[in-house]
Amino acid sequence: DVKVTQSSRYLVKRTGEKVFLECVQDMDHENMFWYRQDPGLGLRLIYFSYDVKMKEKGDIPEGYSVSREKKERFSLILESASTNQTSMYLCATDTPHTGELFFGEGSRLTVL
Amino acid sequence: DQQVKQNSPSLSVQEGRISILNCDYTNSMFDYFLWYKKYPAEGPTFLISISSIKDKNEDGRFTVFLNKSAKHLSLHIVPSQPGDSAVYFCAASPRAGNNRKLIWGLGTSLAVNP
Repeated sequence: DVKVTQSSRYLVKRTGEKVFLECVQDMDHENMFWYRQDPGLGLRLIYFSYDVKMKEKGDIPEGYSVSREKKERFSLILESASTNQTSMYLCATDTPHTGELFFGEGSRLTVL
Repeated sequence: DQQVKQNSPSLSVQEGRISILNCDYTNSMFDYFLWYKKYPAEGPTFLISISSIKDKNEDGRFTVFLNKSAKHLSLHIVPSQPGDSAVYFCAASPRAGNNRKLIWGLGTSLAVNP
């Protein structure tokens, strides 16, 4: 079974703080994704990575950056957190054969 | 402008009855459709998919129907169980496996009452 682990389930940060959200997958998959989920807005893609050091902006990249130094690890960075970044953040990877997405359990971030 | 629409934010069904969740799309380039299920405080999990070359796909209690001319798909759960209570997301892509281009609906919250 594919396992996607997100380092923090719940975080509370202050406006202006730098925030790191870490994600690790154990299947040597090339593709990794960061989404945010908000009520009434569904899942929106923030960033996508298709290999080490390779990334693409998703639909809502503003205010975020990412890092993929190792294949198994994909980090989402909020350089200066703002209250409108309070959200559930979901990391995912997909299988090369079926394209099925496997998600982590999510990181609930609150920015005060 | 939403390309994938789930017009019912919530649905309540009695245990043992059929649950029907609907999804409409606007982009005729979509070729592959998926349903994901999400429990609170967990990530979504894949449920079932269908390619545009089919009009039906079945997996146990779950069946997805696709009507390409109407740009409509539906997920049927028979019989519904309390453990099916979750948010269901419909998603569409121009090609199977192209998750970079996956477009998500807003979800339908299903409550199955004992």
